[in-house]
Amino acid sequence: DIQMTQSPSSMSASLGDRVTITCQASQDIGNNLIWFQQKPGKSPRRMIYYATNLANGVPSRFSGSRSGSDYSLTIISLESEDMADYHCLQYKQYPLTFGSGTKLEIK
Amino acid sequence: QVTLKESGPGILQPSQTLSLTCTFSGFSLSTYGMGVGWIRQPSGKGLEWLANIWWDDDKYYNPSLKNRLTISKDTSNNQAFLKITNVDTADTATYYCARIGGGIPTNFDYWGQGVMVTVSS
Repeated sequence: DIQMTQSPSSMSASLGDRVTITCQASQDIGNNLIWFQQKPGKSPRRMIYYATNLANGVPSRFSGSRSGSDYSLTIISLESEDMADYHCLQYKQYPLTFGSGTKLEIK
Repeated sequence: QVTLKESGPGILQPSQTLSLTCTFSGFSLSTYGMGVGWIRQPSGKGLEWLANIWWDDDKYYNPSLKNRLTISKDTSNNQAFLKITNVDTADTATYYCARIGGGIPTNFDYWGQGVMVTVSS
C-alpha cells in the first residue's frame, strides 16, 4: 500500500500568514493527488486536484505543488474561514489512501 | 447539478450487516468513466477509503476490511450500495459516498452529506 505521511498533524497560524501542509508519498503517485478541506460537521470539499489544479470555486490564495514525492498545499494569506481540517488523498494505486489529516487553527 | 445522499440504519448491533445506500443525481453510472466511491470517518479521526464501483461494474475494495465489503449499483435508479458484514464497534463512523472518475477534473468532486452509523450492543 502507498503510505501518505501528512505533516504537521496540527498547526496554529495568524490571519495573513502563509501556511503550508505537506504529504509525502511512499511510492511514486505521479500527480494523482487531491487535497480536501473539511470543516466541523461537514463533508470534505475538494480544493486541489491532480496535485496542482485549483478546483472550481476555490479561492486563489490556495495552491498545490509537488517536489519529488512531497506534495504541498499552500495558503498564501490565511483567512478566518480557512480554519478546518485538511486531508490529502492518493488515487494512483489501490487501495486509495488518505493522509492522517492536518488540523489548522487560527491564532 | 450533482448531488449525492447517503442513507443507512443509524444504529445496529455487533455482528449484524450494515447496508448503506447512496442516491445520486446529475450524473449516471452508465456513463463511460464514471464511478462512486465510499469513504468513512470515525468521529474525530481521519478519512478511510472503503470501495469504488465503476460504470462497467468494476469494483475495488480496501483489503484492510478483508472480505466484509460488497459494493453494488442500480444504474436505472441512480443508486450505489455498500454492505459491511459482521460489524463491530470499530465500524462506528460517518459514511460518505462521492462521485469519482469522469476524468481528472471530476474525480472526487462531489460528496454526500454523510450518514452516521453507530454499532452498539
